[in-house]
Amino acid sequence: AQTVTQSQPEMSVQEAETVTLSCTYDTSESNYYLFWYKQPPSRQMILVIRQEAYKQQNATENRFSVNFQKAAKSFSLKISDSQLGDTAMYFCAFALSYNTDKLIFGTGTRLQVFP
Amino acid sequence: KAGVTQTPRYLIKTRGQQVTLSCSPISGHRSVSWYQQTPGQGLQFLFEYFSETQRNKGNFPGRFSGRQFSNSRSEMNVSTLELGDSALYLCASSLKQGRTQYFGPGTRLLVL
Repeated sequence: AQTVTQSQPEMSVQEAETVTLSCTYDTSESNYYLFWYKQPPSRQMILVIRQEAYKQQNATENRFSVNFQKAAKSFSLKISDSQLGDTAMYFCAFALSYNTDKLIFGTGTRLQVFP
Repeated sequence: KAGVTQTPRYLIKTRGQQVTLSCSPISGHRSVSWYQQTPGQGLQFLFEYFSETQRNKGNFPGRFSGRQFSNSRSEMNVSTLELGDSALYLCASSLKQGRTQYFGPGTRLLVL
């Protein structure tokens, strides 16, 4: 069975600074997808970034980038130039690459961006 | 394109009643998944459908059921509601298996 662990329940960062959210996972599979989703107070779950396990290159989306360490089963999210609108719960999620879209979520990290 | 829509957005029921939640995926998306979000258990997978077939089911009692229609719209039903069923129910759709899932705004269910 796959598991996802987010060890930081809460984090805070000042506006314009950089913050890194941690995520580790456990699986015996070699092909899978990893995601970071953001859930602001509106509760709408928004995709931040996606990484395919077979790709060695780390995914980036504007101010968001990941550090994917497959051997260590680590998938951290770096947010650069933090903005007030980045305040939200951030969930790391895992999905197998075959036969299912089922997402396995971590417990989330609550990020507060201060002015 | 319109996003994933869920109806109703809010619902209040009493114990023992049943409830039906609806999800309309993004146009063209054929895969629909449902998740339950609670403060205590976090985000848990309920079930997923692809082309009207249930492809996978989470670890929930038989009171939780779902279906998908030919137009890819999906419904989930919870019978004999319990207080612990109070939660945010999220629906997500994807173009096909392996593609990114996009979430709807959720239905917040309160069981009294």
